[in-house]
Amino acid sequence: QKEVEQNSGPLSVPEGAIASLNCTYSDRGSQSFFWYRQYSGKSPELIMSIYSNGDKEDGRFTAQLNKASQYVSLLIRDSQPSDSATYLCAVSNSGYSTLTFGKGTMLLVSP
Amino acid sequence: DTGVSQNPRHKITKRGQNVTFRCDPISEHNRLYWYRQTLGQGPEFLTYFQNEAQLEKSRLLSDRFSAERPKGSFSTLEIQRTEQGDSAMYLCASSQAGSRRTEAFFGQGTRLTVV
Repeated sequence: QKEVEQNSGPLSVPEGAIASLNCTYSDRGSQSFFWYRQYSGKSPELIMSIYSNGDKEDGRFTAQLNKASQYVSLLIRDSQPSDSATYLCAVSNSGYSTLTFGKGTMLLVSP
Repeated sequence: DTGVSQNPRHKITKRGQNVTFRCDPISEHNRLYWYRQTLGQGPEFLTYFQNEAQLEKSRLLSDRFSAERPKGSFSTLEIQRTEQGDSAMYLCASSQAGSRRTEAFFGQGTRLTVV
């Protein structure tokens, strides 16, 4: 069974700090990796996708992928209170189109 | 707005009643997915369509659940004889086939409460 594991948190960081969110996955055949942000009571919003080993940067967000270690991370630089949300890691196998999600990590950024 | 649209946003129903939800995907997307999310959990896959064909169903999808996408455009998810355990957020997402880069975008969700 495919599994995606995340620390449920909450992860508390002060405003302006770097928040580091981690995710591990069990299926070595996984090819596509995503981070979604979900505010309380709202639906998930795609913020990053990564497909190859290494880093991918988009604004204040950096996704990191290490397929050998089956590990994905998301760094948020200069964290803002508006970044306070649950961050969901999702993984897809190239043979399938469906996503397997972790339970999410709650991030709290204090002013 | 050209995003994924779901209706209704909220539904309260009595146990045993049938409910139907609608999803309109992003217009150029030919893949459509249904997920269910309960409090404190990530979304769980229910079923997905490529065009009008239902290609995969989760074992979570009991025989009380049925989904259709008759013309490869909008989709409906019906739950018959609802139970309190069906209370959840039902999420629809869409993506474009033809690439391994299966970025899926979610609608606002339909929150179902069974009383």
